[in-house]
Amino acid sequence: NAGVTQTPKFQVLKTGQSMTLQCAQDMNHEYMSWYRQDPGMGLRLIHYSVGAGITDQGEVPNGYNVSRSTTEDFPLRLLSAAPSQTSVYFCASRHLTSGTELNTGELFFGEGSRLTVL
Amino acid sequence: GQNIDQPTEMTATEGAIVQINCTYQTSGFNGLFWYQQHAGEAPTFLSYNVLDGLEEKGRFSSFLSRSKGYSYLLLKELQMKDSASYLCAVSDSNYQLIWGAGTKLIIKP
Repeated sequence: NAGVTQTPKFQVLKTGQSMTLQCAQDMNHEYMSWYRQDPGMGLRLIHYSVGAGITDQGEVPNGYNVSRSTTEDFPLRLLSAAPSQTSVYFCASRHLTSGTELNTGELFFGEGSRLTVL
Repeated sequence: GQNIDQPTEMTATEGAIVQINCTYQTSGFNGLFWYQQHAGEAPTFLSYNVLDGLEEKGRFSSFLSRSKGYSYLLLKELQMKDSASYLCAVSDSNYQLIWGAGTKLIIKP
């Protein structure tokens, strides 16, 4: 099992450019999500999905789009990059959980994508 | 609003014990997680508490008091490799995780 695979690991963009961060998981997880991590702040949820064809907004969705055409893949698109989107992005997945002690709902993270927008 | 508080940074000595506290105010509660994150790496799961009390896992233990909105992570017999950030996260009523900013733990020889 490869787990959660994110690409690219590093990317530099100019303001206004668009790009897609790729995320794939091979654990048959229903739930997939994208977070951004900025210094001094907790991980913030951008978008998430509970299954193929279903996506929803998280805490900070503006400027980002997602789609979930398959269980395995959950790409994150930056439509028109801005310097405020300079951050480290993590894709994470887990099984859907009822929240019982028998199912921790542990999140599995990709290695992260460090994005700089100039 | 929803809020998770934990100290920004802590320093401890190799071989010692350290306790990292986390207090939370969230809309609903479906469990509290602790994750470890080494610099430049992804977070990795350490523990999960949904009932009050202490969960022990090797050198690491995690405690939860739901009535007080409080948890702590206890690390024993500290090793240099324990130098990392420790993230507290609460699963809210929608099973979404609310994350603290993390506690950077510095281990000195």
